[in-house]
Amino acid sequence: EVQLVESGGGLVQPGGSLRLSCALSEFSFSSYAMTWVRRAPGKGLEWVSVISGSGLNTYYADSVKGRFTISRDNSKNTLYLQMDSLRADDTAVYYCATHRGGLANAIFDLWGQGSLVTVSS
Amino acid sequence: DIQMTQSPSSLSASVGDRVTITCQASQDIDNYLNWYQHKPGKTPKLLIYDASNLETGVPSRFSGSGSGTDFTFTISSLQPEDIATYFCQEYDDLPPFTFGQGTNLEIK
Repeated sequence: EVQLVESGGGLVQPGGSLRLSCALSEFSFSSYAMTWVRRAPGKGLEWVSVISGSGLNTYYADSVKGRFTISRDNSKNTLYLQMDSLRADDTAVYYCATHRGGLANAIFDLWGQGSLVTVSS
Repeated sequence: DIQMTQSPSSLSASVGDRVTITCQASQDIDNYLNWYQHKPGKTPKLLIYDASNLETGVPSRFSGSGSGTDFTFTISSLQPEDIATYFCQEYDDLPPFTFGQGTNLEIK
Protein backbone atom coordinates (compact mmCIF):
# COMPACT_ATOMS: atom_id res chain seq x y z
CA GLU A 1 0.00 0.00 0.00
CA VAL A 2 1.36 3.40 -0.98
CA GLN A 3 1.62 5.74 1.97
CA LEU A 4 3.16 8.97 3.19
CA VAL A 5 4.94 8.76 6.56
CA GLU A 6 5.65 11.98 8.42
CA SER A 7 8.14 12.69 11.19
CA GLY A 8 9.75 15.60 13.01
CA GLY A 9 6.94 17.28 14.91
CA GLY A 10 7.22 18.35 18.53
CA LEU A 11 7.30 21.17 21.06
CA VAL A 12 9.42 24.22 20.28
CA GLN A 13 9.79 27.65 21.87
CA PRO A 14 8.72 30.82 20.04
CA GLY A 15 11.48 31.90 17.68
CA GLY A 16 12.77 28.35 17.39
CA SER A 17 13.10 26.00 14.43
CA LEU A 18 11.82 22.58 13.46
CA ARG A 19 12.08 20.40 10.35
CA LEU A 20 9.30 18.10 9.21
CA SER A 21 9.91 15.14 6.92
CA CYS A 22 7.50 13.18 4.74
CA ALA A 23 8.54 9.94 3.04
CA LEU A 24 6.63 8.34 0.17
CA SER A 25 6.73 4.56 -0.11
CA GLU A 26 6.76 4.59 -3.90
CA PHE A 27 9.53 4.83 -6.51
CA SER A 28 7.84 7.48 -8.66
CA PHE A 29 8.15 10.21 -6.03
CA SER A 30 9.66 12.71 -8.48
CA SER A 31 6.51 12.51 -10.65
CA TYR A 32 4.43 14.26 -8.00
CA ALA A 33 4.28 17.81 -6.85
CA MET A 34 3.96 17.86 -3.05
CA THR A 35 2.10 20.17 -0.71
CA TRP A 36 2.01 20.95 3.00
CA VAL A 37 -1.33 21.76 4.65
CA ARG A 38 -1.93 22.56 8.32
CA ARG A 39 -4.86 22.64 10.69
CA ALA A 40 -4.59 24.71 13.85
CA PRO A 41 -6.75 23.90 16.89
CA GLY A 42 -10.30 25.08 16.31
CA LYS A 43 -9.46 26.29 12.81
CA GLY A 44 -9.85 25.02 9.27
CA LEU A 45 -7.41 23.57 6.78
CA GLU A 46 -4.78 26.04 5.56
CA TRP A 47 -2.57 25.46 2.54
CA VAL A 48 1.07 26.20 3.48
CA SER A 49 3.47 25.46 0.62
CA VAL A 50 3.99 23.48 -2.59
CA ILE A 51 7.01 22.19 -4.49
CA SER A 52 7.17 20.84 -8.03
CA GLY A 53 8.33 17.31 -8.78
CA SER A 54 11.76 18.51 -9.87
CA GLY A 55 12.07 20.79 -6.86
CA LEU A 56 12.70 23.84 -9.05
CA ASN A 57 9.42 25.62 -8.34
CA THR A 58 8.12 26.50 -4.88
CA TYR A 59 5.30 28.66 -3.52
CA TYR A 60 4.29 29.71 -0.01
CA ALA A 61 1.29 31.09 1.83
CA ASP A 62 1.78 34.71 2.89
CA SER A 63 1.53 33.61 6.53
CA VAL A 64 4.78 31.58 6.30
CA LYS A 65 6.69 33.30 3.49
CA GLY A 66 10.25 34.14 4.53
CA ARG A 67 10.12 31.79 7.55
CA PHE A 68 9.39 28.34 6.07
CA THR A 69 11.34 26.53 3.35
CA ILE A 70 10.00 23.55 1.40
CA SER A 71 12.44 21.16 -0.25
CA ARG A 72 12.68 17.58 -1.45
CA ASP A 73 15.27 14.85 -2.00
CA ASN A 74 14.01 12.70 -4.84
CA SER A 75 16.80 10.16 -4.30
CA LYS A 76 15.34 9.53 -0.83
CA ASN A 77 11.64 9.89 -1.80
CA THR A 78 11.39 12.50 0.94
CA LEU A 79 9.78 15.92 1.30
CA TYR A 80 10.85 18.47 3.92
CA LEU A 81 9.49 21.58 5.58
CA GLN A 82 12.06 23.70 7.42
CA MET A 83 10.24 25.99 9.83
CA ASP A 84 12.17 28.92 11.33
CA SER A 85 11.16 31.88 13.49
CA LEU A 86 8.20 29.88 14.74
CA ARG A 87 5.29 31.69 16.36
CA ALA A 88 2.45 30.56 18.60
CA ASP A 89 0.01 30.81 15.68
CA ASP A 90 2.07 28.20 13.78
CA THR A 91 0.81 25.61 16.29
CA ALA A 92 -1.05 23.03 14.21
CA VAL A 93 -1.09 19.54 12.82
CA TYR A 94 0.92 19.61 9.60
CA TYR A 95 0.03 17.25 6.75
CA CYS A 96 1.97 16.47 3.61
CA ALA A 97 -0.01 15.51 0.52
CA THR A 98 0.64 14.43 -3.05
CA HIS A 99 -0.74 16.27 -6.05
CA ARG A 100 -2.47 14.20 -8.71
CA GLY A 101 0.32 15.02 -11.15
CA GLY A 102 2.00 18.38 -11.56
CA LEU A 103 2.08 21.50 -9.43
CA ALA A 104 -0.98 23.06 -11.08
CA ASN A 105 -3.04 19.89 -10.60
CA ALA A 106 -3.72 20.53 -6.93
CA ILE A 107 -5.95 17.55 -6.21
CA PHE A 108 -4.58 16.25 -2.90
CA ASP A 109 -5.26 12.53 -3.13
CA LEU A 110 -2.79 10.98 -0.69
CA TRP A 111 -2.11 12.43 2.76
CA GLY A 112 0.41 11.80 5.52
CA GLN A 113 -0.74 10.93 9.01
CA GLY A 114 0.00 14.42 10.33
CA SER A 115 2.72 15.88 12.57
CA LEU A 116 1.80 17.96 15.60
CA VAL A 117 3.83 21.13 15.98
CA THR A 118 3.36 23.05 19.22
CA VAL A 119 4.98 26.45 19.64
CA SER A 120 4.98 27.44 23.29
CA SER A 121 7.30 28.65 26.03
CA ASP B 1 -5.79 35.61 -4.43
CA ILE B 2 -9.08 33.73 -4.71
CA GLN B 3 -11.36 33.73 -1.67
CA MET B 4 -13.67 30.79 -0.94
CA THR B 5 -16.86 31.38 1.06
CA GLN B 6 -18.28 28.14 2.45
CA SER B 7 -21.63 27.80 4.22
CA PRO B 8 -22.97 26.89 6.61
CA SER B 9 -20.15 26.80 9.16
CA SER B 10 -21.99 24.15 11.14
CA LEU B 11 -24.89 21.86 10.43
CA SER B 12 -26.96 19.43 12.49
CA ALA B 13 -29.00 16.78 10.68
CA SER B 14 -30.64 13.42 11.30
CA VAL B 15 -29.57 10.06 9.94
CA GLY B 16 -31.13 9.66 6.50
CA ASP B 17 -31.39 13.41 5.84
CA ARG B 18 -30.18 15.07 2.67
CA VAL B 19 -27.35 17.48 3.51
CA THR B 20 -26.13 20.32 1.31
CA ILE B 21 -23.06 22.54 1.66
CA THR B 22 -22.17 25.40 -0.65
CA CYS B 23 -18.94 27.12 -1.66
CA GLN B 24 -18.67 30.37 -3.54
CA ALA B 25 -15.46 31.53 -5.22
CA SER B 26 -14.52 35.22 -5.48
CA GLN B 27 -13.84 34.76 -9.19
CA ASP B 28 -14.49 32.23 -11.94
CA ILE B 29 -12.55 29.02 -11.20
CA ASP B 30 -14.15 26.87 -13.93
CA ASN B 31 -14.47 23.42 -12.31
CA TYR B 32 -11.20 23.49 -10.32
CA LEU B 33 -12.87 22.67 -7.04
CA ASN B 34 -12.38 19.73 -4.67
CA TRP B 35 -14.19 18.54 -1.53
CA TYR B 36 -12.53 16.86 1.46
CA GLN B 37 -13.75 15.16 4.62
CA HIS B 38 -11.74 15.55 7.82
CA LYS B 39 -12.52 13.51 10.92
CA PRO B 40 -10.87 14.23 14.31
CA GLY B 41 -7.54 12.45 14.64
CA LYS B 42 -7.65 11.24 11.03
CA THR B 43 -6.11 12.46 7.79
CA PRO B 44 -8.19 14.54 5.38
CA LYS B 45 -9.83 12.47 2.66
CA LEU B 46 -10.54 13.51 -0.92
CA LEU B 47 -14.20 12.88 -1.77
CA ILE B 48 -14.93 14.89 -4.92
CA TYR B 49 -12.50 16.35 -7.46
CA ASP B 50 -13.06 18.76 -10.34
CA ALA B 51 -16.40 19.80 -8.85
CA SER B 52 -18.36 16.67 -9.65
CA ASN B 53 -16.11 13.61 -9.96
CA LEU B 54 -16.43 11.01 -7.23
CA GLU B 55 -13.05 9.76 -5.99
CA THR B 56 -12.53 6.00 -6.30
CA GLY B 57 -13.87 4.11 -3.30
CA VAL B 58 -16.05 6.95 -2.01
CA PRO B 59 -19.71 6.02 -1.42
CA SER B 60 -22.17 7.21 -4.05
CA ARG B 61 -24.26 9.11 -1.49
CA PHE B 62 -21.64 11.86 -1.83
CA SER B 63 -21.88 14.14 -4.86
CA GLY B 64 -20.80 17.55 -6.09
CA SER B 65 -21.95 20.03 -8.70
CA GLY B 66 -21.33 23.52 -10.00
CA SER B 67 -18.90 25.51 -12.10
CA GLY B 68 -17.65 29.06 -12.34
CA THR B 69 -18.20 30.60 -8.91
CA ASP B 70 -20.96 28.53 -7.26
CA PHE B 71 -20.57 24.95 -6.06
CA THR B 72 -22.63 22.47 -4.06
CA PHE B 73 -21.71 19.36 -2.09
CA THR B 74 -24.47 16.90 -1.17
CA ILE B 75 -24.84 13.83 1.02
CA SER B 76 -28.03 12.18 -0.22
CA SER B 77 -28.71 10.16 2.93
CA LEU B 78 -26.67 11.05 6.01
CA GLN B 79 -25.00 8.14 7.82
CA PRO B 80 -23.52 8.16 11.35
CA GLU B 81 -20.01 7.69 9.96
CA ASP B 82 -20.34 10.93 7.95
CA ILE B 83 -19.80 13.04 11.07
CA ALA B 84 -16.80 15.20 10.18
CA THR B 85 -15.76 18.61 8.97
CA TYR B 86 -16.04 19.17 5.22
CA PHE B 87 -13.90 21.59 3.21
CA CYS B 88 -13.94 22.86 -0.34
CA GLN B 89 -10.62 23.78 -2.01
CA GLU B 90 -9.92 25.65 -5.24
CA TYR B 91 -6.92 25.21 -7.50
CA ASP B 92 -7.49 27.61 -10.34
CA ASP B 93 -4.19 28.91 -11.78
CA LEU B 94 -1.14 29.33 -9.52
CA PRO B 95 -0.93 28.99 -5.73
CA PRO B 96 -2.17 29.75 -3.15
CA PHE B 97 -4.67 26.91 -3.18
CA THR B 98 -7.44 28.19 -0.93
CA PHE B 99 -9.69 26.12 1.32
CA GLY B 100 -13.15 27.14 2.41
CA GLN B 101 -13.67 27.80 6.13
CA GLY B 102 -15.18 24.34 6.68
CA THR B 103 -18.57 22.93 7.66
CA ASN B 104 -18.80 21.03 10.93
CA LEU B 105 -21.46 18.33 10.43
CA GLU B 106 -23.17 16.81 13.47
CA ILE B 107 -25.92 14.27 14.02
CA LYS B 108 -29.14 15.66 15.48
